[in-house]
Amino acid sequence: DVKVTQSSRYLVKRTGEKVFLECVQDMDHENMFWYRQDPGLGLRLIYFSYDVKMKEKGDIPEGYSVSREKKERFSLILESASTNQTSMYLCASSLWSGGHYEQYFGPGTRLTVT
Amino acid sequence: QKEVEQDPGPLSVPEGAIVSLNCTYSNSAFQYFMWYRQYSRKGPELLMYTYSSGNKEDGRFTAQVDKSSKYISLFIRDSQPSDSATYLCAMSDTGGFKTIFGAGTRLFVKA
Repeated sequence: DVKVTQSSRYLVKRTGEKVFLECVQDMDHENMFWYRQDPGLGLRLIYFSYDVKMKEKGDIPEGYSVSREKKERFSLILESASTNQTSMYLCASSLWSGGHYEQYFGPGTRLTVT
Repeated sequence: QKEVEQDPGPLSVPEGAIVSLNCTYSNSAFQYFMWYRQYSRKGPELLMYTYSSGNKEDGRFTAQVDKSSKYISLFIRDSQPSDSATYLCAMSDTGGFKTIFGAGTRLFVKA
């Protein structure tokens, strides 16, 4: 029943390191998303992609980049990790079709930057 | 002012109670309204979605949208301990691309 998987559940990185978070979905969804979730702030959209090689900035893209080379895979890159990027990172994929909407989230990656 | 306001709780109810979870929002352009359930250490799970105003029912869950008041609700009937989770409201003006989430309400259902 796997739908959206994320490469790691927990990560600890040092300030300045380059960090890669990977997400894979098996539902053939066009749309994929990266969010971060922080207490009291809810989920905030970092980037989304509506097709291979296409990407759009979300509400908080600064300090992040993304890559979507294949339909099923969406990667989030922290070019130079900072302590304020310590957070829970959630990947999602979705589909709108004929009034039907479905969306699935991965289990999340808890990233700590020290 | 936040675009979406949601009481963080925690909300504690006895098993079998009717639960009411609510959100208010400020952007009248929102057309799609969603509710998610998130268990501890898991990703959110889409429970229900509605388009524009009105009610939608799915088993023990009912979602209500009042666009004139910019107010949405999720009702859970005959609540169960397994309903204990954080519930997130969310809304979007473009069918799910740029979705704004509430911070979540923590619900505890006691057996």
